[in-house]
Amino acid sequence: GENVEQHPSTLSVQEGDSAVIKCTYSDSASNYFPWYKQELGKGPQLIIDIRSNVGEKKDQRIAVTLNKTAKHFSLHITETQPEDSAVYFCAAPYGGYQLTFGKGTKLSVIP
Amino acid sequence: GAVVSQHPSRVICKSGTSVKIECRSLDFQATTMFWYRQFPKQSLMLMATSNEGSKATYEQGVEKDKFLINHASLTLSTLTVTSAHPEDSSFYICSARAGLAGGLFYEQYFGPGTRLTVT
Repeated sequence: GENVEQHPSTLSVQEGDSAVIKCTYSDSASNYFPWYKQELGKGPQLIIDIRSNVGEKKDQRIAVTLNKTAKHFSLHITETQPEDSAVYFCAAPYGGYQLTFGKGTKLSVIP
Repeated sequence: GAVVSQHPSRVICKSGTSVKIECRSLDFQATTMFWYRQFPKQSLMLMATSNEGSKATYEQGVEKDKFLINHASLTLSTLTVTSAHPEDSSFYICSARAGLAGGLFYEQYFGPGTRLTVT
């Protein structure tokens, strides 16, 4: 099955700085990599995803990069704001359409 | 974007009773729905996968007689926790996946979760 590792487990940044979260995966056949944001007491929200036919995808202040050779992908948040504080999960597919999730990164943006 | 609802958001029940949680895809048809369990400060643990009209597939270690899943339509799946005990207290989250079974559409959209407390 797929093994997903996520780092760091916690991350504190000053408001306005950038935050980077990294994940590695084990199955070289994986071709879809989503990122989820989970606020306290709520369900995860899909914030961005990338497929293996591209190396980078951007959506305003959020970007995801993918290195298929090294089997890792990263979430980049620029100009962080307090409302970006949450737990972020990366994931990779297995079994056709199920997802394996990383252990999560708690991001704290300090005003 | 795709919206998934869950009901109830919170439930407290007594040990030995059963609790039903509903998961609905509001603006798309979900060929597959997933049920997850999440303990505090931990990641999501997949409990089972259900396709509309089929029996659910449970992950290893999940008791299928305790966690009954029904996916009767393309927009509704239910999880029933039978004979609940305090150790079943957790945050239960469903997700729904659109697209064709076996197709290359992996987007999963999550519901807001249900906090179950068994006293």
